[in-house]
Amino acid sequence: EPEVTQTPSHQVTQMGQEVILRCVPISNHLYFYWYRQILGQKVEFLVSFYNNEISEKSEIFDDQFSVERPDGSNFTLKIRSTKLEDSAMYFCASEGNYPANEQFFGPGTRLTVL
Amino acid sequence: AQSVTQLDSHVSVSEGTPVLLRCNYSSSYSPSLFWYVQHPNKGLQLLLKYTSAATLVKGINGFEAEFKKSETSFHLTKPSAHMSDAAEYFCVVSEGNTDKLIFGTGTRLQVFP
Repeated sequence: EPEVTQTPSHQVTQMGQEVILRCVPISNHLYFYWYRQILGQKVEFLVSFYNNEISEKSEIFDDQFSVERPDGSNFTLKIRSTKLEDSAMYFCASEGNYPANEQFFGPGTRLTVL
Repeated sequence: AQSVTQLDSHVSVSEGTPVLLRCNYSSSYSPSLFWYVQHPNKGLQLLLKYTSAATLVKGINGFEAEFKKSETSFHLTKPSAHMSDAAEYFCVVSEGNTDKLIFGTGTRLQVFP
């Protein structure tokens, strides 16, 4: 069964460093998302991406965040200068045209900022 | 603004007994509602979804949920719990004009033998 994959599973970085979280969506999907979950808090929407551009973003998704689909398979989230409060589990999701309205999630990347 | 409230942070049941995980939603428009499950070290898996068709929705692994507009509820049930059902369950809402999902705080289900 096709699935969304994410790498790395755990990333540790120093405050102020740049990190890139990688996702490989399901191959025929067209809609891509990033969510995050700070420990003990809700899963929160960050950004949605369609047709090579951002379709919606949350207040969390400020100028230090960016997303890219550099090739036909990868979908990346870059955090330019990490802060302590960026420590969280980051989930990638993808969605196709059928079944509609179903987002398939990856296992997540745990980001720890020291 | 849309939101969901999961009324219980933890639920414990014995194997073979019924499961009830409660969820209330708030939405200005016709909502789509979902239940996702997360097993340890795994991604979020869709259990079932409601998108304005039948109000009683059947999902995977014997779970079902009923959309009750008058009560703004979308509770998740299963007649008989199995040990493998132990996981975190999230009630989720989205509205027709956006694809972003709004998550509840989650309910951790424990199943005792």
